[in-house]
Amino acid sequence: GEDVEQSLFLSVREGDSSVINCTYTDSSSTYLYWYKQEPGAGLQLLTYIFSNMDMKQDQRLTVLLNKKDKHLSLRIADTQTGDSAIYFCAEISNDYKLSFGAGTTVTVRA
Amino acid sequence: NAGVTQTPKFQVLKTGQSMTLQCAQDMNHEYMSWYRQDPGMGLRLIHYSVGAGITDQGEVPNGYNVSRSTTEDFPLRLLSAAPSQTSVYFCASQPRTPGVLFFGEGSRLTVL
Repeated sequence: GEDVEQSLFLSVREGDSSVINCTYTDSSSTYLYWYKQEPGAGLQLLTYIFSNMDMKQDQRLTVLLNKKDKHLSLRIADTQTGDSAIYFCAEISNDYKLSFGAGTTVTVRA
Repeated sequence: NAGVTQTPKFQVLKTGQSMTLQCAQDMNHEYMSWYRQDPGMGLRLIHYSVGAGITDQGEVPNGYNVSRSTTEDFPLRLLSAAPSQTSVYFCASQPRTPGVLFFGEGSRLTVL
């Protein structure tokens, strides 16, 4: 079965970069995802990366994928207070079910 | 478009009571699913449906029932509520792109 692991907490100063790390186990995953959950809300898809890519950049977000080590990271440049949220890493199985990590709570301090 | 709408947002039940969490989407997505979110455990899949008339179990299906009579609606039924079902429940729908889920705002359920 799939098992996605993330560290639970990250504290970062406003204006610094945040890096959230994730490891996954299913080497057949075709896509890997980052979702964001703000307080009291549902999850929103931030970005996703296809498994044949090793990097994807979208404005302040950079996703790095190391398929050999099954390691995924999300870098947020110039972190703002609005980036405070829980970030979930997820992988997809062959039958199109998503497996989520436990989520990393990012706190941005002034 | 309203997206994915869940009701109720909050509910308190006594042990043994039954209830239905409603979920509706107006995006004509074939795939819908229910997750529960518990602290430190991420989201776990309860049931899912790949189209009207078709449902299947996810990772934690016990104590829950679903049906999918229309493309738009995917209600989740708790048959006899237990304190272990205290959680936040999320409904999601998905277009053809794998893994791109649209979530509702969640339903917070407390079972006493």
